[in-house]
Amino acid sequence: GNSVTQMEGPVTLSEEAFLTINCTYTATGYPSLFWYVQYPGEGLQLLLKATKADDKGSNKGFEATYRKETTSFHLEKGSVQVSDSAVYFCALTSLNRDDKIIFGKGTRLHILP
Amino acid sequence: DVKVTQSSRYLVKRTGEKVFLECVQDMDHENMFWYRQDPGLGLRLIYFSYDVKMKEKGDIPEGYSVSREKKERFSLILESASTNQTSMYLCASRGLAGTYTQYFGPGTRLTVL
Repeated sequence: GNSVTQMEGPVTLSEEAFLTINCTYTATGYPSLFWYVQYPGEGLQLLLKATKADDKGSNKGFEATYRKETTSFHLEKGSVQVSDSAVYFCALTSLNRDDKIIFGKGTRLHILP
Repeated sequence: DVKVTQSSRYLVKRTGEKVFLECVQDMDHENMFWYRQDPGLGLRLIYFSYDVKMKEKGDIPEGYSVSREKKERFSLILESASTNQTSMYLCASRGLAGTYTQYFGPGTRLTVL
């Protein structure tokens, strides 16, 4: 079945550091891929998405490229800020009507000033 | 913008009480989902619905039931609340067009004493 594996946290970085959070997936067909972010005390918000191979999703300085050859969708940001501290979830969904969305377990990110 | 609302942000109940968590979405989405989120376990799917009056068990349905009488509303019911159901509950909805992005409500933090 479909699955998502993302690096375990917590990840602690200093402000302005480069961020990578790894995400790999297993899926049949051509799923859509997502990164969601959860700020403290809030629900999940869509951060970015990509729907086909080689697509790059980007938002708020974050980006991720859909790599079918390596089945990966790593999240990157060139210079993190304290306000980026949150939990990040990688997810995938197929385009079948009744299919569930599969989430990774989440990676907690702490940014130190 | 898609809006998913949940009836309460915080809820405190006693063991054995019947608890209703309500979720409403305003985008005419077909699919709706209930998750619980616990530290170290990520999001776990409780139930989902792909149409009015339709429901499917997720990964952890025991102790829960759901109701979907109208397309915009999906209710989670704890028939007899127990302390191990203390958790953050997240509702989400998803349309069947485009990229199948899932939109989340702000969450309900339920404490069962």
